[in-house]
Amino acid sequence: GAVVSQHPSWVICKSGTSVKIECRSLDFQATTMFWYRQFPKQSLMLMATSNEGSKATYEQGVEKDKFLINHASLTLSTLTVTSAHPEDSSFYICSARVLTSGPYEQYFGPGTRLTVT
Amino acid sequence: KQEVTQIPAALSVPEGENLVLNCSFTDSAIYNLQWFRQDPGKGLTSLLLIQSSQREQTSGRLNASLDKSSGRSTLYIAASQPGDSATYLCAVKAASGSRLTFGEGTQLTVNP
Repeated sequence: GAVVSQHPSWVICKSGTSVKIECRSLDFQATTMFWYRQFPKQSLMLMATSNEGSKATYEQGVEKDKFLINHASLTLSTLTVTSAHPEDSSFYICSARVLTSGPYEQYFGPGTRLTVT
Repeated sequence: KQEVTQIPAALSVPEGENLVLNCSFTDSAIYNLQWFRQDPGKGLTSLLLIQSSQREQTSGRLNASLDKSSGRSTLYIAASQPGDSATYLCAVKAASGSRLTFGEGTQLTVNP
């Protein structure tokens, strides 16, 4: 099956610094990638949808200047949390949609645990 | 706006028991429904996907049913094992290219 990787799997950073999370589709091309945020014991909240080569579409309430998304190629999307604060600490999960349509359109990465101190 | 609800929020059962997890959605005009498993601190693993035209899907000890008209789906797990302990999420998709809307999940613990 299709594999999506994320790097790093966990990161600790100081308040005020920026952190970049990578999401890669390893064995398929993904025209669309999704970024989710998950708080403890809660479900996934869609943050933004990114299409290769174009600007990301952010969900209501998500600050686009704080969560920068770049989808530069069909296999790589990055999420940069700028000027991170403790409230940004969360589990971030990306998902990639295969280029060709099919029932299993979205595949999920293993997630990145961000802790801001 | 589609809303997905999962009941119960948590469930603890002894090993070997058969169990049912419930998922309901408010808008019956869905494209498909998917059940996922999430282990603590991990991403999502797709378990079963049911297209809107289907009534059920089976994989091993798992069986998922879909009743679109009533806005319900159930995930049946037979002969539960401690390794089944995880959070189970259901998600619906309104159209082929649209987003997934997730439920809050059911945290399952199977005790040996």
